[in-house]
Amino acid sequence: AQSVAQPEDQVNVAEGNPLTVKCTYSVSGNPYLFWYVQYPNRGLQFLLKYITGDNLVKGSYGFEAEFNKSQTSFHLKKPSALVSDSALYFCAVRDRMDSNYQLIWGAGTKLIIKP
Amino acid sequence: DGGITQSPKYLFRKEGQNVTLSCEQNLNHDAMYWYRQDPGQGLRLIYYSQIVNDFQKGDIAEGYSVSREKKESFPLTVTSAQKNPTAFYLCASSIEKTDRGETQYFGPGTRLLVL
Repeated sequence: AQSVAQPEDQVNVAEGNPLTVKCTYSVSGNPYLFWYVQYPNRGLQFLLKYITGDNLVKGSYGFEAEFNKSQTSFHLKKPSALVSDSALYFCAVRDRMDSNYQLIWGAGTKLIIKP
Repeated sequence: DGGITQSPKYLFRKEGQNVTLSCEQNLNHDAMYWYRQDPGQGLRLIYYSQIVNDFQKGDIAEGYSVSREKKESFPLTVTSAQKNPTAFYLCASSIEKTDRGETQYFGPGTRLLVL
C-alpha cells in the first residue's frame, strides 16, 4: 500500500540551530514529493517539490529537502531556524503511475522553534 | 492562499441540516479538490474533479456531495448523512493537463462546527 510517514509528531529546535523534519514514503513507482506548511487556522502553503533531476531541492523561506531514493526519504531541512518557522509541516507524495494524480499525505509534524 | 477563495470562514450546522461550502479559483486550473482535516491526522480527500462536469469520489465521500458546473467553482455540500462533520475543510486546485507533478494550491479553509 502507498503511504507517507512523518515519524515525529513534534520537533523542537532552538532558534538559530539547524532543523530537520523527516519524511519517508512507500509507493509502487517513482514519486513526486512535496512539502507544505500550515500556520494556525490557515490553508496549506507550498514549500517545495521534487520532480526529477538534482536530489537537493531548494524552496521557499530558505527551506530545502533531499530526495534519497535508496532510503525512500525526503527530509525537510533549514540551516538556521527562525521563530517564525513554527508551524505544522506536511509531506505528500504522488506515484507517477497514478492516473488519478492523487496526493498521499503524511499526518504532519509540528515544528516549534524556541527563542 | 493565492487565487483560491473559500467561504464562509466559519460555518455552523444544526442537526439534520445540509450546508454548502464555497470554493472559487481564478487560476484557470483544471483540477479541484476537497480535503477534510482533523486534528492529528493528515488531509483526507473527499472529492476531486479533473474537468468541468466530471468529478470522482475520494477516500471519504460518504455524506458529502459536489458539483462542477463551472471551471472556477467547486462547491461542497455536507449533508445530514455526515454524522461527524466537525472539521477544517480545505479546497485546492492544480493544473492537470499533463502528468508533470503539478502543485496543488490551497484556499484558506472553512471550519465547520455542529451546534
